Amino acid sequence: GAGVSQTPSNKVTEKGKYVELRCDPISGHTALYWYRQSLGQGPEFLIYFQGTGAADDSGLPNDRFFAVRPEGSVSTLKIQRTERGDSAVYLCASSLVPRGVNTGELFFGEGSRLTVL
Amino acid sequence: GQQLNQSPQSMFIQEGEDVSMNCTSSSIFNTWLWYKQEPGEGPVLLIALYKAGELTSNGRLTAQFGITRKDSFLNISASIPSDVGIYFCAGSTNAGGTSYGKLTFGQGTILTVHP
Repeated sequence: GAGVSQTPSNKVTEKGKYVELRCDPISGHTALYWYRQSLGQGPEFLIYFQGTGAADDSGLPNDRFFAVRPEGSVSTLKIQRTERGDSAVYLCASSLVPRGVNTGELFFGEGSRLTVL
Repeated sequence: GQQLNQSPQSMFIQEGEDVSMNCTSSSIFNTWLWYKQEPGEGPVLLIALYKAGELTSNGRLTAQFGITRKDSFLNISASIPSDVGIYFCAGSTNAGGTSYGKLTFGQGTILTVHP
């Protein structure tokens, strides 16, 4: 597809379970981001990939959260031992980096809504 | 950490009216962006601003990057029902001389347009 694709669109899990959320960015976009949006709030930055490496993971709330992008395209956000406070919409975004300059103009997916019971 | 204060929190207007919303920060940003989000969707970029004092238009939308680099506003002229949604301001700062997509978002302005 032409846009950022995220799966699953909805995920309901029980406290303590492991969850994986997948993001397929726009083809050709080298930068990929994960954000988290709680109800009634703006998105909050989690992690940024440039290519395969995590250039900035300062937004990950704790070591239960981890993300990978092994081939520089698809990314997976992994959450271990989920807690009720992890419930939110997890948004993935990608951006083009023309001539090495990242303009900060992000294209967001529709998000994965995670509910931890 | 950096915080953006966006106001108003919500607006209820009649179709055809003009709308103004703004965003202020306690710290400087090098890039200001305005996004719109509709239910069940991700935010969509409306306008991006890169220079202090810059005034940019996109159709009925006009946004300005404040001269102090600590604020921005968005105006929507002649509102229509499809303008309904949540509008977010976002700012980013340079890292290593290059601005990148680590954005700080405001809390959003919920816009309702009555036909």
